[in-house]
Amino acid sequence: QVHLVQSGPEVKKPGSSVKVSCKASRDTFNDYAISWVRQAPGQGLEWMGGILPILDVPKYAQNFQGRVTITADKSTNTAYIELSGLRSEDTALYYCAREMHSSTPYFDAWGQGTLVTV
Amino acid sequence: QSVLTQPPSVSTAPGQKVTISCSGSSSNIGISYVTWYQQLPGTAPKLLIYDNNKRPSGIPDRFSGSKSGTSATLGITGLQTGDEADYYCGTWDTNLGVVFGGGTKLTVL
Repeated sequence: QVHLVQSGPEVKKPGSSVKVSCKASRDTFNDYAISWVRQAPGQGLEWMGGILPILDVPKYAQNFQGRVTITADKSTNTAYIELSGLRSEDTALYYCAREMHSSTPYFDAWGQGTLVTV
Repeated sequence: QSVLTQPPSVSTAPGQKVTISCSGSSSNIGISYVTWYQQLPGTAPKLLIYDNNKRPSGIPDRFSGSKSGTSATLGITGLQTGDEADYYCGTWDTNLGVVFGGGTKLTVL
């Protein structure tokens, strides 16, 4: 069973930054990419970007370029997403997900979600 | 406005069959595989179908997926009240990365 365990809820002021963590097993961290997907209240899913921890190469969705930073700490098998310049529209559940190898990325395991309230 | 278009809601009776459509374009569904996720109320999304029509271990064969051109379809047979959920399609867009549909709320009356 794949476990992705995320950090707890956050309440932030507009203009500030938030950093959310996602701890995975060593196997997951070594062999797979981790992506971040958010879901505003009552809304759909929105991919923000991801990282392949073993290569430390992040990729970002166009909508978040310049405002999001995704990192990975191989010593603790933990991925992070930091979002800056927070505004009320960033209030959402933020999920990390394990990205499967395929010609088209998909996510076969998800964290429990972290609620960020701005 | 989502890149992929899904109907906002569908409803049908227990035991019946339902299909959920997902429409895209030549820069996404037209050249990529389609994935489907099920999100039960208050929970994280769950992988239902990947690579257009493959089911992960543990997903019953009541769930099926297909793709034709720039559209995809999720089919569910033998509907149960436990299937009430939001269903999302997803794929890769050459310009935008991973994209999702707006989601379809399934109600089993």
